[in-house]
Amino acid sequence: SQQGEEDPQALSIQEGENATMNCSYKTSINNLQWYRQNSGRGLVHLILIRSNEREKHSGRLRVTLDTSKKSSSLLITASRAADTASYFCATDVRETSYDKVIFGPGTSLSVIP
Amino acid sequence: GAGVSQSPRYKVAKRGQDVALRCDPISGHVSLFWYQQALGQGPEFLTYFQNEAQLDKSGLPSDRFFAERPEGSVSTLKIQRTQQEDSAVYLCASSLFVGRGTDTQYFGPGTRLTVL
Repeated sequence: SQQGEEDPQALSIQEGENATMNCSYKTSINNLQWYRQNSGRGLVHLILIRSNEREKHSGRLRVTLDTSKKSSSLLITASRAADTASYFCATDVRETSYDKVIFGPGTSLSVIP
Repeated sequence: GAGVSQSPRYKVAKRGQDVALRCDPISGHVSLFWYQQALGQGPEFLTYFQNEAQLDKSGLPSDRFFAERPEGSVSTLKIQRTQQEDSAVYLCASSLFVGRGTDTQYFGPGTRLTVL
């Protein structure tokens, strides 16, 4: 089962434009993370935002979190062809002895040069 | 490099064969996760190890799936009597600490399993 749902499923933009991806989740969380996956590769961690934070920046990435709406967004500014990848949000669910991380289905981003 | 490695990268099996997938986590990482990723989907949790202890195997789809990490480092995911629905990419990830939600998971490149 997947806790998060990304929206849109696929996004195609021109190089230089901004890309916005959204993630909604179902249960209360402690943290939300975004990961990127290039074709045929493993996932790479991008950024983490805690439940008591509303916005976080890292380079060209901006993440927002609205716990009242159980949603998060990832904004990539001034996109580049190298940003072409799938992007996944991941939320943690407290288990007995550890925090299980659950990934959403992802948004496939294509940046056209 | 010192990242997570997985082998083989690609595996083709005939239905009914047994397969073994290997994961070498980053040295010193306490936590190790296995995920199954179907085409166009996000990783689905399979199992979690804290050192050599398998603390959660709730995501394993059936008793044909078995994972071990006997010395707390290298892990093997074994699938017995493979079925076509087992075809997927199997991802391994490790993290430094004992499975906290703030931990960064470092992923290997995955093993793409195709069952004919």
